Amino acid sequence: GAGVSQSPSNKVTEKGKDVELRCDPISGHTALYWYRQRLGQGLEFLIYFQGNSAPDKSGLPSDRFSAERTGESVSTLTIQRTQQEDSAVYLCASGSPGQGDEQYFGPGTRLTVT
Amino acid sequence: KNEVEQSPQNLTAQEGEFITINCSYSVGISALHWLQQHPGGGIVSLFMLSSGKKKHGRLIATINIQEKHSSLHITASHPRDSAVYICAVRGLETSGSRLTFGEGTQLTVNP
Repeated sequence: GAGVSQSPSNKVTEKGKDVELRCDPISGHTALYWYRQRLGQGLEFLIYFQGNSAPDKSGLPSDRFSAERTGESVSTLTIQRTQQEDSAVYLCASGSPGQGDEQYFGPGTRLTVT
Repeated sequence: KNEVEQSPQNLTAQEGEFITINCSYSVGISALHWLQQHPGGGIVSLFMLSSGKKKHGRLIATINIQEKHSSLHITASHPRDSAVYICAVRGLETSGSRLTFGEGTQLTVNP
């Protein structure tokens, strides 16, 4: 079956512009996570959605970052007024409690802010 | 001090060698994951464990909950094993299944 997909795969944007990143999780997965990986660094948690519960936004680095999820399907991560320090690979993962909390990662979106 | 620490940061081995990557964590956890990140950036989950030992092919993962330590072993290493190996934990105090990651271990296996 299809895995987690993300789009775009690469995005170059000018400082100050807004960007929107998309994640399509595996069908049926109720949990969805966004992570960020800056160059040469480890992954950082950003936000977590689980079903219809309120999302855990505790990892979002600033109020320029927001994310939405439509039901148990697609999610979008929006970064407003991008800064150079936002340059990173943004990874999405999905999972389901019924599958033992395994997380399945998408290929990521590489964001470069110039 | 990071909640999850891995050692070594970099590891170079010759094909066929037995490899061990270590992970120590400082919080109570409900599960520990080992992930593999390929040079192109894709991440694959290798293991998720909460106790004991798991084996998959040439890969073995162990965890000691009392000592807050896990190891990933690769037997008969091969150049295709070259990747970054990441340890991640799901803390008892964190919501849902969000993970906290180690910095990763860059493994290079030379032919």
